[in-house]
Amino acid sequence: GENVEQHPSTLSVQEGDSAVIKCTYSDSASNYFPWYKQELGKRPQLIIDIRSNVGEKKDQRIAVTLNKTAKHFSLHITETQPEDSAVYFCAASPTSGGSYIPTFGRGTSLIVHP
Amino acid sequence: GAVVSQHPSRVICKSGTSVKIECRSLDFQATTMFWYRQFPKQSLMLMATSNEGSKATYEQGVEKDKFLINHASLTLSTLTVTSAHPEDSSFYICSAGEGYTFGSGTRLTVV
Repeated sequence: GENVEQHPSTLSVQEGDSAVIKCTYSDSASNYFPWYKQELGKRPQLIIDIRSNVGEKKDQRIAVTLNKTAKHFSLHITETQPEDSAVYFCAASPTSGGSYIPTFGRGTSLIVHP
Repeated sequence: GAVVSQHPSRVICKSGTSVKIECRSLDFQATTMFWYRQFPKQSLMLMATSNEGSKATYEQGVEKDKFLINHASLTLSTLTVTSAHPEDSSFYICSAGEGYTFGSGTRLTVV
């Protein structure tokens, strides 16, 4: 099955700095890579995703890159704000019949200091 | 967008009792729903895949007789934790839909 490694486990930055979270995966059949943000005690929310036919995707201050050859993908947050503080999970999944079941990384606790 | 509702949000039960958690898709039909378990400061671990009208598919190491899943309609899946013990205390969360929308989660505490 799929194995997703995520680093770092904690990340502390100053407001305005950039934050980068990296993940690797093991299953070459994985072709969908979502990222989730989970605030304390709340449900994970999908913030951005990327498919294997794309190398990079950007949405305002958030961007994700994918290197399928190396089997790694990264989340980049620029101009961080205190409200970005949360746990971020990467995930990887193959798609089958239009559906997918992601395997999650262990999470990165991002702390943005004002 | 897709909305997934989960109830209850919190439950405290005595050891040995059973607890039922509901997961509903409010604005779409879901033939498949997923149940996850999350320990504090840890990742989401898939417990089982709930299939409407058929048996759930359990992940390795998850006891199907302890975690009963019923998916009787296209909008409702239930997870029943039977004979709960303190080690079952956790955050249980469901998801459904193409966007893999999560429910709000259920914090189970077994005392």
